[in-house]
Amino acid sequence: DAGVTQSPTHLIKTRGQQVTLRCSPKSGHDTVSWYQQALGQGPQFIFQYYEEEERQRGNFPDRFSGHQFPNYSSELNVNALLLGDSALYLCASRAQNGAEAFFGQGTRLTVV
Amino acid sequence: AQKITQTQPGMFVQEKEAVTLDCTYDTSDQSYGLFWYKQPSSGEMIFLIYQGSYDEQNATEGRYSLNFQKARKSANLVISASQLGDSAMYFCAMREGRSRRALTFGSGTRLQVQP
Repeated sequence: DAGVTQSPTHLIKTRGQQVTLRCSPKSGHDTVSWYQQALGQGPQFIFQYYEEEERQRGNFPDRFSGHQFPNYSSELNVNALLLGDSALYLCASRAQNGAEAFFGQGTRLTVV
Repeated sequence: AQKITQTQPGMFVQEKEAVTLDCTYDTSDQSYGLFWYKQPSSGEMIFLIYQGSYDEQNATEGRYSLNFQKARKSANLVISASQLGDSAMYFCAMREGRSRRALTFGSGTRLQVQP
């Protein structure tokens, strides 16, 4: 059983560009959350998707948007990239009544 | 106010010894969950252990145990018989209220196991 998978693993973008990150949840999981982890810090919650809708949102600007598909996979889109968006982006999935959140290996985004 | 506080930026431990990583939390919810994750240099967050606020027994998972002191709002991770592969960042996290709430993470503790 594959765990949470994210693509791509590494990405380099230029300031002002747009980026899309992808996440496939663990089998049987229906809730997907995205986190941003800057170097040397703990992950910060971006938003959570369940039943194809954004259910919760952290303190991130509208440049950060997402989507969840019927197969529960999810995308994170970031527009008008800033240098400060450089970070490790982590996707986590959970089952409906599960306590634990399982994370993917992350996508390391570098904005130059 | 910080919801999750990890006061030890870095810790050293000798191989085969036990180590305690500190975590204190702040919440007004009666129902909450506490988590510990391990993050090696590869970046993946690996789930280690979970403690629910209503659980009366301290959680244990193999060499990991969670020392849960509700009155003190602390949830320390104890790693017994440390191994070189335990060297990593360790994060304490909390989920407040309903099960679908997001996780709030602390700033982490870097553990280095010395041979």
